[in-house]
Amino acid sequence: AQSVTQPDIHITVSEGASLELRCNYSYGATPYLFWYVQSPGQGLQLLLKYFSGDTLVQGIKGFEAEFKRSQSSFNLRKPSVHWSDAAEYFCAVVSGGYQKVTFGTGTKLQVIP
Amino acid sequence: DGGITQSPKYLFRKEGQNVTLSCEQNLNHDAMYWYRQDPGQGLRLIYYSQIVNDFQKGDIAEGYSVSREKKESFPLTVTSAQKNPTAFYLCASSIKWGKGGYEQYFGPGTRLTVT
Repeated sequence: AQSVTQPDIHITVSEGASLELRCNYSYGATPYLFWYVQSPGQGLQLLLKYFSGDTLVQGIKGFEAEFKRSQSSFNLRKPSVHWSDAAEYFCAVVSGGYQKVTFGTGTKLQVIP
Repeated sequence: DGGITQSPKYLFRKEGQNVTLSCEQNLNHDAMYWYRQDPGQGLRLIYYSQIVNDFQKGDIAEGYSVSREKKESFPLTVTSAQKNPTAFYLCASSIKWGKGGYEQYFGPGTRLTVT
């Protein structure tokens, strides 16, 4: 079965510092991968997605993610974090053989001045 | 503006009562989904529908029911059989299921509290 792991439950970074959120997936073939962001009490918004091609994908709000097949990872990065980036971030995976998207348990980002 | 509407934002019910959560989309999407979100557990799929008049159980369908009579609407009923119904419920839609159609758009959610 497909699965996705976000090993960090909480991360705290200083405003202006760089950010990397980790995501590891489990699936034999090349999966479709997503990162979503959720502000408190709100729905999820898609940040970026990877289907195929260039392994470095750019998303909205200055985020990017890199697909590394050898490490089964799809880590999210941002070079300089803003206070408005404080939210919960979800990695998600879907494989063609499974009729659903599997979400990770989320990483809550706190940004301090 | 196109999007997904969930109403109400907050819902309170007494134990033993059924309650229906509304989800409407005007994105002309074929597929719709219901998720339950609990702290520390991510999103868990309750039901999904790839086309009108058809739907499938997700991972945690027990105690829930859905209907898909119109393309735009996918209401979720939380029945009294659901043992722990208090949660945040998210509705989502996608163009279709299949390559190019996995990207999901989410509504703002409904927080259900059952006492």
